[in-house]
Amino acid sequence: AQSVTQLDSHVSVSEGTPVLLRCNYSSSYSPSLFWYVQHPNKGLQLLLKYTSAATLVKGINGFEAEFKKSETSFHLTKPSAHMSDAAEYFCVVSTAGRRALTFGSGTRLQVQP
Amino acid sequence: DSGVTQTPKHLITATGQRVTLRCSPRSGDLSVYWYQQSLDQGLQFLIQYYNGEERAKGNILERFSAQQFPDLHSELNLSSLELGDSALYFCASSEGVGRNEQFFGPGTRLTVL
Repeated sequence: AQSVTQLDSHVSVSEGTPVLLRCNYSSSYSPSLFWYVQHPNKGLQLLLKYTSAATLVKGINGFEAEFKKSETSFHLTKPSAHMSDAAEYFCVVSTAGRRALTFGSGTRLQVQP
Repeated sequence: DSGVTQTPKHLITATGQRVTLRCSPRSGDLSVYWYQQSLDQGLQFLIQYYNGEERAKGNILERFSAQQFPDLHSELNLSSLELGDSALYFCASSEGVGRNEQFFGPGTRLTVL
């Protein structure tokens, strides 16, 4: 079985400060992990993915995530938040035995001016 | 723009009715996935097709069905609609059936009155 837990339903940061969105996963097999972003009234956009290569993954718009197997975590970070980063972020897991993605419940990121 | 298109953008209908949602995958992608996003259930996988054949089923109700046509576009049919079916329905596509990332369309917002 596979599952994803996003530890914060809502995160608020000031513009220019670091962003940390936390994600823990559970998977019986070596997982692929993704972060997707959903802006209001928009579809989901892939930010980055981990597929058993480098454990530190760089994505679009300055985001990166680190895969830590010992902690079963895949936290998303960005050094400096921008107003345009305000959106809902989903941590997602996929394993070889399952063809569908399993989504976390989402973290709403608010960026204050 | 992910390259995945969905029509219509919005759909308003009454309880008991039947609707069809349409999805065209990215060029070259053989897999199509359908997801439902609602406030209470979050993002849930419904069904997957690969090159015209059903490959995986998730939390899809018996009142719902889907198919993928020879040109690879897919349709999701929702019948005997209930108020609780109101949601955002996303289509996603990927190259294969493994752990490839999925690319999401903009979604169809269904409102059942």
